[in-house]
Amino acid sequence: QSALTQPASVSGSPGQSITISCTGTSSDVGSYNLVSWYQQHPGKAPKLMIYEGSKRPSGVSNRFSGSKSGNTASLTISGLQAEDEADYYCCSYAGSSTYVVFGGGTKLTVL
Amino acid sequence: QVQLVQSGAEVKKPGSSVKVSCKASGGTFSSYAISWVRQAPGQGLEWMGGIIPIFGTANYAQKFQGRVTITTDESTSTAYMELSSLRSEDTAVYYCARDLRVATITYDAFDIWGQGTMVTVSS
Repeated sequence: QSALTQPASVSGSPGQSITISCTGTSSDVGSYNLVSWYQQHPGKAPKLMIYEGSKRPSGVSNRFSGSKSGNTASLTISGLQAEDEADYYCCSYAGSSTYVVFGGGTKLTVL
Repeated sequence: QVQLVQSGAEVKKPGSSVKVSCKASGGTFSSYAISWVRQAPGQGLEWMGGIIPIFGTANYAQKFQGRVTITTDESTSTAYMELSSLRSEDTAVYYCARDLRVATITYDAFDIWGQGTMVTVSS
């Protein structure tokens, strides 16, 4: 049982937009603007796509965006491309006792 | 550009310990948090703990308290993760990862990852 809840799978067609949700609690997502999102292709290390809720690291496409409302963070991918097919994980700071919690991951399929 | 290179795959017996290394090259090591994150086969990511080398004090996930030790050697820009009392459920790929921001102990933004080290626990 992961601390943050994500849908197991989402899908979309090339060119469409999709949103992946990440639901936490007032102890993590709701209390801090420190949510990050990772993309992971099979057999590869994760890649940081969004940090501090909505910031993109250098080199990450602006098709990826992040937001938060209450205890739920979201990752939106616009203009879906075949290479976006991967697993996506959310992550949140959860205070100086727990520190970090991850979501269970969402498998994105590009149809 | 900083790279993190981890030690090779390990096969361990239940009850034993494993120590995985993570060597940084090509950039600053001491000022950035290094975390250890594991991924069991077919499962999600799990944060185990982290450390900022210049501070020297590690922080651990409650689940691993007492069983994991994270250290660094600034002279060789290497971080280590030692996990003891191994059981079959510890079979996983273990990653080291560096935080994007200087001296930040929230451990929430890992922008550079090692290649992963497979640890198999089997009798």
